[in-house]
Amino acid sequence: AQTVTQSQPEMSVQEAETVTLSCTYDTSESNYYLFWYKQPPSRQMILVIRQEAYKQQNATENRFSVNFQKAAKSFSLKISDSQLGDTAMYFCAFRGNFGNEKLTFGTGTRLTIIP
Amino acid sequence: DGGITQSPKYLFRKEGQNVTLSCEQNLNHDAMYWYRQDPGQGLRLIYYSQIVNDFQKGDIAEGYSVSREKKESFPLTVTSAQKNPTAFYLCASRLREGYGYTFGSGTRLTVV
Repeated sequence: AQTVTQSQPEMSVQEAETVTLSCTYDTSESNYYLFWYKQPPSRQMILVIRQEAYKQQNATENRFSVNFQKAAKSFSLKISDSQLGDTAMYFCAFRGNFGNEKLTFGTGTRLTIIP
Repeated sequence: DGGITQSPKYLFRKEGQNVTLSCEQNLNHDAMYWYRQDPGQGLRLIYYSQIVNDFQKGDIAEGYSVSREKKESFPLTVTSAQKNPTAFYLCASRLREGYGYTFGSGTRLTVV
């Protein structure tokens, strides 16, 4: 069974600074998908970024980028020029390939952006 | 606008009663999912459905039931057999393989 580990329960950073959230996972599959979701106080789950394991290039979405290290099974999220609206819970999630419908989540990192 | 609608936002249930949470999507997504979220934990999968009239158990299906009679709807029933039903419930759907899931805004269920 796949597991996803987020070892930082809470983090805080000054506005405009850069912050990196860590995520490791365990799987025996060779192709899979990784996601970062944001959950603000409204509790709406919002997809931040996704990565396909067979693509070596790290995904980027505006201020959000990932560092995907397949051999190390590591998938960290970097937020550049952090903004107050980035304050939220961030969840790392793993999904296997065809036939494996389960999206497995980590326990989350609570990120606070300090004005 | 397309999206997923969960209702109600807040729900209170007396012990021993069944209650049904609604989830409707107009995204034309084939697959739909129910997750439970507890404090300090990530989301845990209850049930999922890939096509109409078919569904599979997730990791914590005991005490829950679902139906998928229409593509747009995937209601979740929390039965009296669920020992600790107080939680935040999220419904999600997915368009195609590998794409991210779209989530509803959730239902907070409290047993009183």
